[in-house]
Amino acid sequence: GAGVSQSPSNKVTEKGKDVELRCDPISGHTALYWYRQSLGQGLEFLIYFQGNSAPDKSGLPSDRFSAERTGGSVSTLTIQRTQQEDSAVYLCASSRRAGNSANSYEQYFGPGTRLTVT
Amino acid sequence: RKEVEQDPGPFNVPEGATVAFNCTYSNSASQSFFWYRQDCRKEPKLLMSVYSSGNEDGRFTAQLNRASQYISLLIRDSKLSDSATYLCVVTLAGNNRKLIWGLGTSLAVNP
Repeated sequence: GAGVSQSPSNKVTEKGKDVELRCDPISGHTALYWYRQSLGQGLEFLIYFQGNSAPDKSGLPSDRFSAERTGGSVSTLTIQRTQQEDSAVYLCASSRRAGNSANSYEQYFGPGTRLTVT
Repeated sequence: RKEVEQDPGPFNVPEGATVAFNCTYSNSASQSFFWYRQDCRKEPKLLMSVYSSGNEDGRFTAQLNRASQYISLLIRDSKLSDSATYLCVVTLAGNNRKLIWGLGTSLAVNP
């Protein structure tokens, strides 16, 4: 079946502009995550959506970052007034329905959006 | 202490070698454990979940040691295609939907 898709694959923007990054999770997956990864660094958790529950926004680095998930499926990550330090690969992942088995938490990643702020 | 710690490597091994990585975690109530691999400039991909009894998938064996709070990954008969970064992941106790990621161990398998 189709995996997680993200768009655009690459985005170059000028400092101060707003950007929107899109994620389409695997159909039927109720949990959706956003991460970012700077070159040579580990994954940095940003935000997590689970069904209709309030999202866990604890990883968002500043109030310039926000995310929405409409209809329990597609998600958009918005970065306002971009800064050069926002340059990174933004990764989206989804995992299946809630449950206590280990495979409920297995995350499947999209190919990422490479954001470059000039 | 970091929540999840890994030796960054790099591990350089010849083809056919056996190599093992360890990963330690700080929260004794962590419940689920995984190994992911990440190729250069690619997204992470699930390699295997780690079960309490240990599990094997072909050349890969994962073990969990709750008493010492570590998980391990053993790769037998290394292939060139095994060259990647291996990421250790654990669930955060009390919030099982949020995963904590290690920074990864780099493996280079040489001909």
